[in-house]
Amino acid sequence: GENVEQHPSTLSVQEGDSAVIKCTYSDSASNYFPWYKQELGKRPQLIIDIRSNVGEKKDQRIAVTLNKTAKHFSLHITETQPEDSAVYFCAASVEDSSYKLIFGSGTRLLVRP
Amino acid sequence: GAGVSQSPRYKVAKRGQDVALRCDPISGHVSLFWYQQALGQGPEFLTYFQNEAQLDKSGLPSDRFFAERPEGSVSTLKIQRTQQEDSAVYLCASSPGQGPGEQYFGPGTRLTVT
Repeated sequence: GENVEQHPSTLSVQEGDSAVIKCTYSDSASNYFPWYKQELGKRPQLIIDIRSNVGEKKDQRIAVTLNKTAKHFSLHITETQPEDSAVYFCAASVEDSSYKLIFGSGTRLLVRP
Repeated sequence: GAGVSQSPRYKVAKRGQDVALRCDPISGHVSLFWYQQALGQGPEFLTYFQNEAQLDKSGLPSDRFFAERPEGSVSTLKIQRTQQEDSAVYLCASSPGQGPGEQYFGPGTRLTVT
């Protein structure tokens, strides 16, 4: 089945710097790749997603890139702010009867003011 | 509008007790998912409903876990004879249609088995 690897597990950056989180997936049939942000004790919330027919997508300070050949995708956050501090999860959607999400293990991002 | 809600938010059970966790998805959402999130880990898939039909239960860890969505809206996840390893946050998510797309998560139920 699908397996998603995520790194780094923790990332500390200075406010204003960029942050990059990387994920790889194993199932070449996966076709939808969302990123979720989860603050402590809160629900995961979608921040950006990309489908397999697109190589890059941007939304203000957030961008995601997808390399289908290499089976990896990355989250880029520019001009980081303290409120970006949270755990970020990448996921891949398996094309089967459910389109369930297979999540990575998460990256704890700390933005130092 | 109202998002996905779950109840109870916190549940403490003694080992061996049965528990029932409720999920109210966004009205009209066809797809409903249950995930289990252990401390410090990503959510792990448990089961999937399309309307009232349970199409995928491949993630349920044992036959002690049972889920239903009898009328295609509210769903209940039941765990029988709880064990300590069942301690986790149980997340429910819904999405408007079938196929890949945004899943809207509830706040979760934190289950602690003592």
